[in-house]
Amino acid sequence: QKEVEQNSGPLSVPEGAIASLNCTYSDRGSQSFFWYRQYSGKSPELIMFIYSNGDKEDGRFTAQLNKASQYVSLLIRDSQPSDSATYLCAVNIVLTYDKVIFGPGTSLSVIP
Amino acid sequence: GAVVSQHPSWVICKSGTSVKIECRSLDFQATTMFWYRQFPKQSLMLMATSNEGSKATYEQGVEKDKFLINHASLTLSTLTVTSAHPEDSSFYICSASIGGSNQPQHFGDGTRLSIL
Repeated sequence: QKEVEQNSGPLSVPEGAIASLNCTYSDRGSQSFFWYRQYSGKSPELIMFIYSNGDKEDGRFTAQLNKASQYVSLLIRDSQPSDSATYLCAVNIVLTYDKVIFGPGTSLSVIP
Repeated sequence: GAVVSQHPSWVICKSGTSVKIECRSLDFQATTMFWYRQFPKQSLMLMATSNEGSKATYEQGVEKDKFLINHASLTLSTLTVTSAHPEDSSFYICSASIGGSNQPQHFGDGTRLSIL
């Protein structure tokens, strides 16, 4: 089992809809969870991070964490064409030393 | 806040050349810096993690003698690709964190390296 998994997509949603991006992870000891957005040809940029079970909202973005299910998601409300990008889920893995593992990313396309 | 500057943004050089890439945290002190490479349409691959004043920790399969990492201060880390070859051509990205893997990473703009 891969350490961090995401559906590769592409996920297509119409403008104004809610986009739901999912991520599962394998290390039950993980404590920190991050969502990054990466536009084509650019480096990633931080959208949100979450440490506790439940929801965390920031503007149009909501991160949801369920440690029991080893699942973290990102909801984007009122999706805009400018949200079209690849969304990377990242999880800290506490093994022999701390590190962060990135998932393969989900490509999102918001259709005007 | 949390700005990371990476330089150069683009390098083209001949096979056998060594290339140095700099990563600076401009407005915060970075306890930990990370180096990634990314091939087209693939995800980030962590190469190494470096902490200020100590040796970098390299991921399995990454040659530490080929990819030299120096983290001399809390605001500067460098990656030197020694004797680069065409297969080293990739997008190299650094990131910095104030507190290790449990804190968000802030990324530089990346360096696109092309070896002829």
